[in-house]
Amino acid sequence: GAGVSQSPSNKVTEKGKDVELRCDPISGHTALYWYRQSLGQGLEFLIYFQGNSAPDKSGLPSDRFSAERTGGSVSTLTIQRTQQEDSAVYLCASSLDRTGMREQYFGPGTRLTVT
Amino acid sequence: GEDVEQSLFLSVREGDSSVINCTYTDSSSTYLYWYKQEPGAGLQLLTYIFSNMDMKQDQRLTVLLNKKDKHLSLRIADTQTGDSAIYFCAESRSGNTPLVFGKGTRLSVIA
Repeated sequence: GAGVSQSPSNKVTEKGKDVELRCDPISGHTALYWYRQSLGQGLEFLIYFQGNSAPDKSGLPSDRFSAERTGGSVSTLTIQRTQQEDSAVYLCASSLDRTGMREQYFGPGTRLTVT
Repeated sequence: GEDVEQSLFLSVREGDSSVINCTYTDSSSTYLYWYKQEPGAGLQLLTYIFSNMDMKQDQRLTVLLNKKDKHLSLRIADTQTGDSAIYFCAESRSGNTPLVFGKGTRLSVIA
């Protein structure tokens, strides 16, 4: 079946502009995660959605970052007033969140470059 | 806080076994994972182990867990050039909570 998909695959933006990154999780997966992979910091957790619960935003690096998940499926990560340090690969993952099935499956990522 | 440590590089000859090691600090870790990342690609889940297990085998992959020492290893038997990639160790408290990753071990396989 289809895996996690993300769009765009690459995004180049000017400093100060807003960007939106999209994630389509695996159908039926109730949990959705955003991570960021950068050279200096490795893989960092950003935000986590689980069903209808309030999202865990504890990993968001600043209030310029926000995310939403509509209808329990597609998620959008928004970065406002982008800065050069926001350049990274943004990875989305989803999981079924059922006892005994704890695998998180990752999408291919969106490479964001802020010039 | 939570921390996951891995050595950064490993080089092996084709056909030999590779052993990638990982240590973690969170004694509440319940699920421990190995992911593979090939150049320009996303993260591929290789295998994971529950903390109440000490070994899991899947074809050429063997995961060993020493919970007392908080040490996890991934053994790849008969390593092939296609195994060249970055391997990430990760832990999670409950499996449906965010993963904490190590910085990755770059495996180079020499033909």
